Amino acid sequence: DVKVTQSSRYLVKRTGEKVFLECVQDMDHENMFWYRQDPGLGLRLIYFSYDVKMKEKGDIPEGYSVSREKKERFSLILESASTNQTSMYLCASSTNRDRGLAGELFFGEGSRLTVL
Amino acid sequence: AQSVTQLGSHVSVSEGALVLLRCNYSSSVPPYLFWYVQYPNQGLQLLLKYTSAATLVKGINGFEAEFKKSETSFHLTKPSAHMSDAAEYFCAVRGTNAGKSTFGDGTTLTVKP
Repeated sequence: DVKVTQSSRYLVKRTGEKVFLECVQDMDHENMFWYRQDPGLGLRLIYFSYDVKMKEKGDIPEGYSVSREKKERFSLILESASTNQTSMYLCASSTNRDRGLAGELFFGEGSRLTVL
Repeated sequence: AQSVTQLGSHVSVSEGALVLLRCNYSSSVPPYLFWYVQYPNQGLQLLLKYTSAATLVKGINGFEAEFKKSETSFHLTKPSAHMSDAAEYFCAVRGTNAGKSTFGDGTTLTVKP
């Protein structure tokens, strides 16, 4: 069974702390994504990566950075957490190899971050 | 550029009634279109997708959607709602950029007994 695993389901951090959100996929997918989900705003893309060590900014990259040192792992980093980064964070992966899977995203269960 | 508009942030139906969730898209290239469902405290899972084969697409749990290019729409339907269909539904469009997808704001479906 395909799987995207996010390391923490719930986190509580303080303003100014550095926060790491980890995501691992076991499907050998080339593409990995970090989305942020807020009520009424849908999912907004923060960063994505289409290869190891490659990254591209999404729609709302400010205040975030990412790391992809291995194909299966994609980390989201909040250098100095702020209260407006309280949100649900969703990791996803996809492959370009199989036309039948054309762009389908496989999601983790989400990490709900609260910044106090 | 690509975008998705979901009409209606909340839809309420009675059990056994027709479900219709609306999605309109904008894309500068022939799109891939998706519907995802999210149950409480879970990630999203794929319901169905359009990838330029048949315009009427069948998905899981009895849902289907029809791609209408002239109307730039991809509305989701189910003939008879079940209580277990209560969830949030997201329409998404993907262009050609490495699988990058753009999502609508979501529609919360409530099913009344």
